[in-house]
Amino acid sequence: DGGITQSPKYLFRKEGQNVTLSCEQNLNHDAMYWYRQDPGQGLRLIYYSQIVNDFQKGDIAEGYSVSREKKESFPLTVTSAQKNPTAFYLCASRGRVYEKLFFGSGTQLSVL
Amino acid sequence: QKEVEQDPGPLSVPEGAIVSLNCTYSNSAFQYFMWYRQYSRKGPELLMYTYSSGNKEDGRFTAQVDKSSKYISLFIRDSQPSDSATYLCATPNSGGSNYKLTFGKGTLLTVNP
Repeated sequence: DGGITQSPKYLFRKEGQNVTLSCEQNLNHDAMYWYRQDPGQGLRLIYYSQIVNDFQKGDIAEGYSVSREKKESFPLTVTSAQKNPTAFYLCASRGRVYEKLFFGSGTQLSVL
Repeated sequence: QKEVEQDPGPLSVPEGAIVSLNCTYSNSAFQYFMWYRQYSRKGPELLMYTYSSGNKEDGRFTAQVDKSSKYISLFIRDSQPSDSATYLCATPNSGGSNYKLTFGKGTLLTVNP
């Protein structure tokens, strides 16, 4: 089945630790996105990438980093500089023609 | 002023009620408007997609855009408990190579049997 796979479903971070969230898609989409969702805050854009080896900061990029070495993969690293990382993280992709974003099932990140 | 404003609710209605969900936007250049539905701890799914002004109907759902007042609405007729979810309005705020969606905060809807 075509779709977007996010892993792990739940992730715990210790103080001062970097953690990486995985996002893989087999839809052959060019563009990929990372959003953060906090209760009552809606979805806020962290980073996005329109093509391989290129990405742009979104509205809340501080404390996060990404890479786009392959079309299928867009991992997000939550660094120790992100002081409030507890949130639900959503990855999405978009094909070349349509405006619609397809979302993965999300990763819940919590701080120990 | 935020680009997309949405009342977060929560909204609780009895089964069979007509539900009205609303958003306002600030940029008159916006032309595409979307409604996503998100069940608890799941990824959002596209529910309705409209271009420019007017109404679009899909089964029990109607999306309405009023560009003169920068107001978008989603109506749900004969609401069902399975409609209980968070509803997010969204609009692309840039095109081409800089395309990205801006979302409202979402409205949590509960339909009680």
